[in-house]
Amino acid sequence: SQTIHQWPATLVQPVGSPLSLECTVEGTSNPNLYWYRQAAGRGLQLLFYSVGIGQISSEVPQNLSASRPQDRQFILSSKKLLLSDSGFYLCAWSFRTGRSSYNSPLHFGNGTRLTVT
Amino acid sequence: GDSVTQMEGPVTLSEEAFLTINCTYTATGYPSLFWYVQYPGEGLQLLLKATKADDKGSNKGFEATYRKETTSFHLEKGSVQVSDSAVYFCALSDRGQAAGNKLTFGGGTRVLVKP
Repeated sequence: SQTIHQWPATLVQPVGSPLSLECTVEGTSNPNLYWYRQAAGRGLQLLFYSVGIGQISSEVPQNLSASRPQDRQFILSSKKLLLSDSGFYLCAWSFRTGRSSYNSPLHFGNGTRLTVT
Repeated sequence: GDSVTQMEGPVTLSEEAFLTINCTYTATGYPSLFWYVQYPGEGLQLLLKATKADDKGSNKGFEATYRKETTSFHLEKGSVQVSDSAVYFCALSDRGQAAGNKLTFGGGTRVLVKP
């Protein structure tokens, strides 16, 4: 079976400090990978998605970047955090099934709660 | 663009009450529809899905029917339990996407079931 690991679970960082959140998937190959952010009391916003190693698509302009150095590893980074970067960050994966990929549900990690102070 | 609208919470119910969470959507294509549930402090879990008109998704006593004519996917459960307390998200995936499965989520509805 497939599992997704996301860490750390919680993080408190000062404004201007760097950020690195890591996500790994086990039990499948060539997954689609996603980073979402959930701001307090709001819905989920897609930040980045990746359909392969080194292939990153950004959905919104922001202070964050993403990388996929290995097939099942997805990293969310920032060089200098802003207060507005606080939120709950969720990594997710889905099967890459070609034309039917829109039917493939996303499987989420347990999230990282980031507080920028 | 695509969008999903859910009723705002919180919704507070007594145990064994009937739950309905309304969800409507707008999409440029013919989407697949999903309900996800988020328990406190956790990530999202897929609850159910429907991929074409009149399909009914069901799981754990929850049901939702894909209504193309009203662009809706309302979630229902006949008798809720305290363990159903969570935030519920409606989402769609447009089959017109070039790659990946980018879900568009509603704002979430918090449900609190009291004993």
